[in-house]
Amino acid sequence: EAGVTQFPSHSVIEKGQTVTLRCDPISGHDNLYWYRRVMGKEIKFLLHFVKESKQDESGMPNNRFLAERTGGTYSTLKVQPAELEDSGVYFCASSQVVAWGEQYFGPGTRLTVT
Amino acid sequence: DAKTTQPTSMDCAEGRAANLPCNHSTISGNEYVYWYRQIHSQGPQYIIHGLKNNETNEMASLIITEDRKSSTLILPHATLRDTAVYYCIVRKAAGNKLTFGGGTRVLVKP
Repeated sequence: EAGVTQFPSHSVIEKGQTVTLRCDPISGHDNLYWYRRVMGKEIKFLLHFVKESKQDESGMPNNRFLAERTGGTYSTLKVQPAELEDSGVYFCASSQVVAWGEQYFGPGTRLTVT
Repeated sequence: DAKTTQPTSMDCAEGRAANLPCNHSTISGNEYVYWYRQIHSQGPQYIIHGLKNNETNEMASLIITEDRKSSTLILPHATLRDTAVYYCIVRKAAGNKLTFGGGTRVLVKP
């Protein structure tokens, strides 16, 4: 069974540009989460989807971040326009029907904003 | 979710048991203790979780004190591949997000 996959593995963009990160959860997992670790800080929750609906987006830092999960399968996280402080590693995780179950994490996307 | 306190780092000899402590003195009755680890350049990996009974799986054992204010993750025979940052997380039964702290950086030495 394939694990959580994320694309790209690394992205380097200039300040002000737009970047879209993609996450493919494990097949059949209704719950999808985004987390990020910015430089020197702890891993922080961003948001949680149940199928295509946003269940909790309390961790989204500001309106430059837009997450979507059309059709309840893969998800995208768009940063527009990117700022220097957005640099970090963005992780996606998924879990089965019960939200409090084990979360399986992808390898992350390293975003560098110059 | 309750806050956890872990040592910043610890070393362990290869082949020996590694005992990782965690304090969660403000844990409430409906909160579980979860352990994850992050090996360098990988995403966090689930290890084990428990409510009040001790738990064991193929990776580790989790010992929770009777008052539930602290726990210990035991890696029975540490290998070099167990070098990672280990996170103790307290999470409500109906919770969704994981709240990561600083974790314990474990270095397994030959």
